[in-house]
Amino acid sequence: KAGVTQTPRYLIKTRGQQVTLSCSPISGHRSVSWYQQTPGQGLQFLFEYFSETQRNKGNFPGRFSGRQFSNSRSEMNVSTLELGDSALYLCASSSWTEPNTEAFFGQGTRLTVV
Amino acid sequence: DAKTTQPNSMESNEEEPVHLPCNHSTISGTDYIHWYRQLPSQGPEYVIHGLTSNVNNRMASLAIAEDRKSSTLILHRATLRDAAVYYCILRARTGANNLFFGTGTRLTVIP
Repeated sequence: KAGVTQTPRYLIKTRGQQVTLSCSPISGHRSVSWYQQTPGQGLQFLFEYFSETQRNKGNFPGRFSGRQFSNSRSEMNVSTLELGDSALYLCASSSWTEPNTEAFFGQGTRLTVV
Repeated sequence: DAKTTQPNSMESNEEEPVHLPCNHSTISGTDYIHWYRQLPSQGPEYVIHGLTSNVNNRMASLAIAEDRKSSTLILHRATLRDAAVYYCILRARTGANNLFFGTGTRLTVIP
């Protein structure tokens, strides 16, 4: 069974630009969550989608948005990039939303904003 | 989600057992205790989870205190590949799939 796939793996963007990151969950998984990891703040939850609906959102500005398609693939978008958005963006998929469900993470997209 | 407290770092010799502690004194009766680890340059990886009873799987064992206010992740024989940051996370029955990662414990394995 293929794991969680995130594309691209690395990205360099300029301040003010926008970026779209993609996540393909494990086949059959309907829940996709996004996280931002930086050296200063650690791993922080961005948002979660389940069956194309955003169910939860972390404490991030509106420049961060996402969506989920009918095949459960998800994208996240960051508009008007700032230097502080440089981070590793991780996607996780789960089969369900029960608290005894494990999450499977992708390898992440390393975004550098210059 | 309730908060967890872990030591910032621990060291272990290769092939010796490692006990990674986690305190969660505000845990509620229905919170599950999850452990994830993150190897260098990789996404987090699920290790184990439990509710009340001790749990074993091929990667590790989870020992849960009787009052559930603390737990210990046990790696039976540490290998160099086990060097990672280990996160103890509580998951509530909220219908949400957001994991709240703390700072975790950085495990160094000494050859």
